[in-house]
Amino acid sequence: SQTIHQWPATLVQPVGSPLSLECTVEGTSNPNLYWYRQAAGRGLQLLFYSVGIGQISSEVPQNLSASRPQDRQFILSSKKLLLSDSGFYLCAWSVRTQGAGQPQHFGDGTRLSIL
Amino acid sequence: AQSVTQPDIHITVSEGASLELRCNYSYGATPYLFWYVQSPGQGLQLLLKYFSGDTLVQGIKGFEAEFKRSQSSFNLRKPSVHWSDAAEYFCAVGPFTGGGNKLTFGTGTQLKVEL
Repeated sequence: SQTIHQWPATLVQPVGSPLSLECTVEGTSNPNLYWYRQAAGRGLQLLFYSVGIGQISSEVPQNLSASRPQDRQFILSSKKLLLSDSGFYLCAWSVRTQGAGQPQHFGDGTRLSIL
Repeated sequence: AQSVTQPDIHITVSEGASLELRCNYSYGATPYLFWYVQSPGQGLQLLLKYFSGDTLVQGIKGFEAEFKRSQSSFNLRKPSVHWSDAAEYFCAVGPFTGGGNKLTFGTGTQLKVEL
């Protein structure tokens, strides 16, 4: 069966420090991968998605970047964190097919607090 | 552009009572529709999905949802709520064709269950 791992679960960082959040998927190949940020009362905001190694699409301009160095690894980064980067970050994957309509499957998230 | 509206931010029901969470979508073609549940500090878990066919869809944990094209709705129901159902519920709509299989999420409905 497929599993998705995110770490760390909780992170406290000072303003201006770098960031690296990692997500890996097991039990599937060639997945679509996604990074979301969730703010209270505002649902999920899609930050980045990837349909293959090295292929990253950014959905919103921001202080963050994403990379996909391996097929089942997705990394969210920042060179200098801002207070507004605080939030709950979720990684997700879906089956990559020619058609659409595949559900996404989520990790347990990372709670990021910026001081 | 596709959009999802969950008009109820908070809902409180008594344990054993029936539940209906509302979801309205806006999409130009036949949508793919999903309901997810999120417990505090956790990721999202897929409850059920609608692609085509029977408009009444059964999911996990005793939930069901009904697709009504004429009303652009996909409401989630449960005949008898358990205290463990207290969580946040998200409705999502997917694209008809490729594009990274992105989903659009509603802002969520927080369910409280009174004992």
